[in-house]
Amino acid sequence: DQQVKQNSPSLSVQEGRISILNCDYTNSMFDYFLWYKKYPAEGPTFLISISSIKDKNEDGRFTVFLNKSAKHLSLHIVPSQPGDSAVYFCAAIYSRGGGKLIFGQGTELSVKP
Amino acid sequence: NAGVTQTPKFRVLKTGQSMTLLCAQDMNHEYMYWYRQDPGMGLRLIHYSVGEGTTAKGEVPDGYNVSRLKKQNFLLGLESAAPSQTSVYFCASSREVNTEAFFGQGTRLTVV
Repeated sequence: DQQVKQNSPSLSVQEGRISILNCDYTNSMFDYFLWYKKYPAEGPTFLISISSIKDKNEDGRFTVFLNKSAKHLSLHIVPSQPGDSAVYFCAAIYSRGGGKLIFGQGTELSVKP
Repeated sequence: NAGVTQTPKFRVLKTGQSMTLLCAQDMNHEYMYWYRQDPGMGLRLIHYSVGEGTTAKGEVPDGYNVSRLKKQNFLLGLESAAPSQTSVYFCASSREVNTEAFFGQGTRLTVV
């Protein structure tokens, strides 16, 4: 049973436009969410996170939005750059539930020049 | 500053062989994780540890064992490898439960 779901395996965006990556979760006890970026043959690297007490967190070109009632989060990248082309994973954790860090399936973003 | 180091980087095993993957972190992190990455499946949690001497099952623990005898090391063992365990394995560590996890470079394991 997939607790964190990324239903779009891939996304293609033009350089300079906005990229929106989506993530849904089923466990309402999750209280901390993270986005990771992964290039081929490398380990994932942390991008941005958000606590369940917030609904938005921004870091430069990256903004994460959390909608707790819908159990949905999204990552916005504005403006998108070719170097952003990678696989993006969302992850969630229930901090009082033992520390399991659960990831989604990933979305491959391609930013075209 | 090495961060999270995985050993080995590549390995080919025959069905039924055993092996141990080593993960070492030099950041004094409490939490450590082992994941496997398969096409279309994302990163699936195998086992994790919330501190030295502790281990817990993740989403896909069958066929694997782990040990955390020292805080800086987290070992993943395959007692009798199967072709279904062909995957890329990632280790990660984090300082606390609600902080970012740092990943190693991965181990590509092929079981023939």
